[in-house]
Amino acid sequence: GAGVSQTPSNKVTEKGKYVELRCDPISGHTALYWYRQSLGQGPEFLIYFQGTGAADDSGLPNDRFFAVRPEGSVSTLKIQRTERGDSAVYLCASTQGSGANVLTFGAGSRLTVL
Amino acid sequence: GNSVTQMEGPVTLSEEAFLTINCTYTATGYPSLFWYVQYPGEGLQLLLKATKADDKGSNKGFEATYRKETTSFHLEKGSVQVSDSAVYFCALSGSNDYKLSFGAGTTVTVRA
Repeated sequence: GAGVSQTPSNKVTEKGKYVELRCDPISGHTALYWYRQSLGQGPEFLIYFQGTGAADDSGLPNDRFFAVRPEGSVSTLKIQRTERGDSAVYLCASTQGSGANVLTFGAGSRLTVL
Repeated sequence: GNSVTQMEGPVTLSEEAFLTINCTYTATGYPSLFWYVQYPGEGLQLLLKATKADDKGSNKGFEATYRKETTSFHLEKGSVQVSDSAVYFCALSGSNDYKLSFGAGTTVTVRA
C-alpha cells in the first residue's frame, strides 16, 4: 500500500478482554516496529520485527502482550486480559533495511480500556 | 541507555513568530538525531534528521544542527504559520541501533 495502515483506528473494550490490533506495512518493507504512546508522552518501543521474526521484544511490558508477523508483512499485536493502564495509542511503523532508517508510521490504533 | 529530553510545552505563538524547541540527548557513540512531527489527526512524520556532528537538517523552513559538544539538536523556525501547529518529537537512534528513542513531545499552537 501507499502507507502504513492500522486497524482499528479506535477500540474501546472492557477490563479483562482480549484485543488484537493490526498493522499493514508498506509493501516491501522488511522491518516493522510497534510503539505505544500514552497521553502526553512520546512513543515507547515495544517490539521490532525483521521479516517474520521478532528481533527484539524487549519493550513488551509483560507477558500479556504478544505480536506476530507470520508472513513477513502484516503484523498483529495481541493484548490479553486488558487493564486500564493499557489505554494508549499503539503505533506501527515500517522501513526498509535493518538500521534505524526513516520510519514511516501509521496513524495509530487508540485503545481505551474501561 | 539512550534518552532524549525536550522542552516541555505547550508553546503558543503568533504567526510569523520565531520558534525554538530545545532537545538534548544522552547516548554512547555517535547517534543519529531526528525531529518527527504529528499534525492533528495524522501519524508521525519525519521532519528532518542529522546523522553526524555539525550536520544541519532542514525541511519546510525548520532547521536543527547536531551539536555534539552540547549534546543538543534544537529545532528552529524563523517565521511560523498556523499550519505548523502540531506536536513535535525529538528522537535518536544509537550507533548500530535499529530503534528510535523519543522525547515526550512539545505541543505547538500558532495563532493567526
